Amino acid sequence: DIVMTQTPLSSPVTLGQPASISCRSSQSLVHSDGNTYLSWLQQRPGQPPRLLIYKISNRFSGVPDRFSGSGAGTDFTLKISRVEAADVGVYYCMQGTQIPLTFGGGTKVEIK
Amino acid sequence: EVQLVESGGGLVQPGGSLRLSCVASGFTFSSYAMNWVRQAPGKGLEWVSSISHSGSGTYYADSVKGRFTISRDNSKNTLYLQMNSLRGEDTAVYYCARDRGVVRGLEIDYWGQGTLVTVSS
Repeated sequence: DIVMTQTPLSSPVTLGQPASISCRSSQSLVHSDGNTYLSWLQQRPGQPPRLLIYKISNRFSGVPDRFSGSGAGTDFTLKISRVEAADVGVYYCMQGTQIPLTFGGGTKVEIK
Repeated sequence: EVQLVESGGGLVQPGGSLRLSCVASGFTFSSYAMNWVRQAPGKGLEWVSSISHSGSGTYYADSVKGRFTISRDNSKNTLYLQMNSLRGEDTAVYYCARDRGVVRGLEIDYWGQGTLVTVSS
């Protein structure tokens, strides 16, 4: 199975300041079809997860442009350019390149 | 608007069975692979199972293989998860989730609100 490792576990951020979350996979996420199936999800308190970014850097419908994804191979990053109160929650990376689908352990974003 | 509504959760004794259902609306259900993902209380996300758009392909996490069965009825826009031989470690909120893929899980784009399954005596 592909292991997804996220850092940090927790990220206290001042409103309006940037935040960055790292995700590393135990093997390359490049699929045989040439795509890299690395997604980022947001889970607000008491809510189901919500897709933010797919295929490393594509923002999903309705996702604000302050969220951006980057990376390649085994190293990926989610950046929030200016954190807002609505961004509080847990963020997960997820790989779909190989079955079983696997998730990172989560990074909690909270306001300082 | 894409909607996924799960039902069928509840309290069950160890060794018991439950069948979860997920009714989909707002999209052409038969065109998408579907997934079940679970989240134990206070824990992270764990993929459970995927099924292809037609139902011909099914995939399972090792932790549930041989005990859970995923299926779908495209005429009813409904996804199912039959759970047998339930254990305490199966206690979780179970989410129904649509995939951007067709053949199997690749990228999950929409999630239901979840249904809680509690396995306890």
